Amino acid sequence: GEDVEQSLFLSVREGDSSVINCTYTDSSSTYLYWYKQEPGAGLQLLTYIFSNMDMKQDQRLTVLLNKKDKHLSLRIADTQTGDSAIYFCAESRDNDMRFGAGTRLTVKP
Amino acid sequence: EPEVTQTPSHQVTQMGQEVILRCVPISNHLYFYWYRQILGQKVEFLVSFYNNEISEKSEIFDDQFSVERPDGSNFTLKIRSTKLEDSAMYFCASKVGAMDYQPQHFGDGTRLSIL
Repeated sequence: GEDVEQSLFLSVREGDSSVINCTYTDSSSTYLYWYKQEPGAGLQLLTYIFSNMDMKQDQRLTVLLNKKDKHLSLRIADTQTGDSAIYFCAESRDNDMRFGAGTRLTVKP
Repeated sequence: EPEVTQTPSHQVTQMGQEVILRCVPISNHLYFYWYRQILGQKVEFLVSFYNNEISEKSEIFDDQFSVERPDGSNFTLKIRSTKLEDSAMYFCASKVGAMDYQPQHFGDGTRLSIL
């Protein structure tokens, strides 16, 4: 079936880079998104990438897309304790959106 | 920056009771959505709404669920006779138009607890 998969946990030290990975199965997805969810809060859109792009950079965030392998990653440079949250990968096609289970990022001082 | 707002932030209801979750989408947005996130699980699509009617719904959105846009600003989700398994976080989202590059903007959610 069509699904979005993510690893559930990632732990890094403050100042290191974090890389959160996601795989998706629907090759017709047009846009792929990263959302951030802090405890008790909603889903905050971080960034998105069009499926014909390979990379998008936005300040500390870098999104890499390997369309052949259906692999998406989010790199956070110089990770801070405020980056601790759950990060959701999502794919969009025909106005429908499917989410992964989320990766819980823990940043240790 | 305009936001999607949801009320209440937490709703506690007895099993079998009706519950209405309220959302105020961003004012110039035309597409509206409800999602559900059971504790520790992924965010699941429930329903999308455009032009005063449901455009798409998932298998979760059965006859116990309904949505309404009663006026120009509110978008509500009603669960007619709640079950224990309806306990979850419910997110409302809105989108300005139909294009895929226009992202959905989410509210902070309503935590629904069924006793």
